[in-house]
Amino acid sequence: GQQLNQSPQSMFIQEGEDVSMNCTSSSIFNTWLWYKQDPGEGPVLLIALYKAGELTSNGRLTAQFGITRKDSFLNISASIPSDVGIYFCAGQLQGAQKLVFGQGTRLTINP
Amino acid sequence: ETGVTQTPRHLVMGMTNKKSLKCEQHLGHNAMYWYKQSAKKPLELMFVYNFKEQTENNSVPSRFSPECPNSSHLFLHLHTLQPEDSALYLCASSQLVMGGNEQFFGPGTRLTVL
Repeated sequence: GQQLNQSPQSMFIQEGEDVSMNCTSSSIFNTWLWYKQDPGEGPVLLIALYKAGELTSNGRLTAQFGITRKDSFLNISASIPSDVGIYFCAGQLQGAQKLVFGQGTRLTINP
Repeated sequence: ETGVTQTPRHLVMGMTNKKSLKCEQHLGHNAMYWYKQSAKKPLELMFVYNFKEQTENNSVPSRFSPECPNSSHLFLHLHTLQPEDSALYLCASSQLVMGGNEQFFGPGTRLTVL
């Protein structure tokens, strides 16, 4: 089946640092979504991207839909302790309803 | 704040028990999903319901039996589970539209099979 390669798998950073993570695939996607999951909770949608090259922000979060439509990036600026969690990318193939999920990036912040 | 609720939040059951997971969405969506989330694995789609009709069964064992009585409610009936079925079970919903499928998740049910 389809796979998304999400990297890095984990990050250990200092509070205040900027964070970057990305997802890549060999397939072309129609939609890219970024979710965050806190321990013991379900994933929460952060940003949705629908057009190649699109750059969208949500507070300190910025995500981009890659121009090739095979990748997406999520950046977090000036990290704070509540940013801790697991971030997932998800892609939707054109004409398909299902989402393909990455394996997640676990973010840990040292105060 | 989530528009998708799940009960119970935690469930411990023996292999011979029968239990059910419940999901309700308050978003007016027309599609609902069951996912399984195990440690160190990507989210696994189990079932998809569109307008309360099942449109996908992702090779899920028959010991998992879904039910969707209407577009707002989704159940997952469990019987004779195995310890390897222990996982976080997530429900999600979305509004079927052209060009996008933003899925909104519930908080999940943490299932432990003894």
